[in-house]
Amino acid sequence: DAKTTQPPSMDCAEGRAANLPCNHSTISGNEYVYWYRQIHSQGPQYIIHGLKNNETNEMASLIITEDRKSSTLILPHATLRDTAVYYCIVRPPYDNDMRFGAGTRLTVKP
Amino acid sequence: AAGVIQSPRHLIKEKRETATLKCYPIPRHDTVYWYQQGPGQDPQFLISFYEKMQSDKGSIPDRFSAQQFSDYHSELNMSSLELGDSALYFCASSPTPLDGSYGYTFGSGTRLTVV
Repeated sequence: DAKTTQPPSMDCAEGRAANLPCNHSTISGNEYVYWYRQIHSQGPQYIIHGLKNNETNEMASLIITEDRKSSTLILPHATLRDTAVYYCIVRPPYDNDMRFGAGTRLTVKP
Repeated sequence: AAGVIQSPRHLIKEKRETATLKCYPIPRHDTVYWYQQGPGQDPQFLISFYEKMQSDKGSIPDRFSAQQFSDYHSELNMSSLELGDSALYFCASSPTPLDGSYGYTFGSGTRLTVV
């Protein structure tokens, strides 16, 4: 069973914020939420991760709901280079088998 | 900054041949992961190694084997190649922070074509 559910595709206008949702209603208390993206045929790129607090880094912000059943990845000012497949993954600590499910194909349009 | 190095970048083999893919992790990263990505598919986890020991195993065929060496580099050995093995193969590495949460850094991949 998939641990996360994401919309298959989304569009975003260049310069606007891209908000990518992820549902993980069966997340366990010790599981982290990770976000990766893959630009066509390149290796996946780590973006951000969090446990229960909101997190921000130079690439994006991660907002996790209080019940931890869903999260949103925010790219504050999307550019054409942000066009990629975005993957939301939940994983317990020290688990060495990060599994990619079906992500969201984000297309940033001029 | 140093990245994960994979070699070769491209490889063409015939059916039933063998192939060896190499991965050099970021210095001081103690865990290596292998993924396979077929055309139009999402990356599939194959196997991981922590401190030179197999850590987790995913959907790796019995024809494939892998190991991590004393210098932490890893090799994925693939025998009796089939047309369906044609894919991008990614290696990733990570450190192990105290809280057990860490992101993986992926290499650029090896594109294997079996003809």
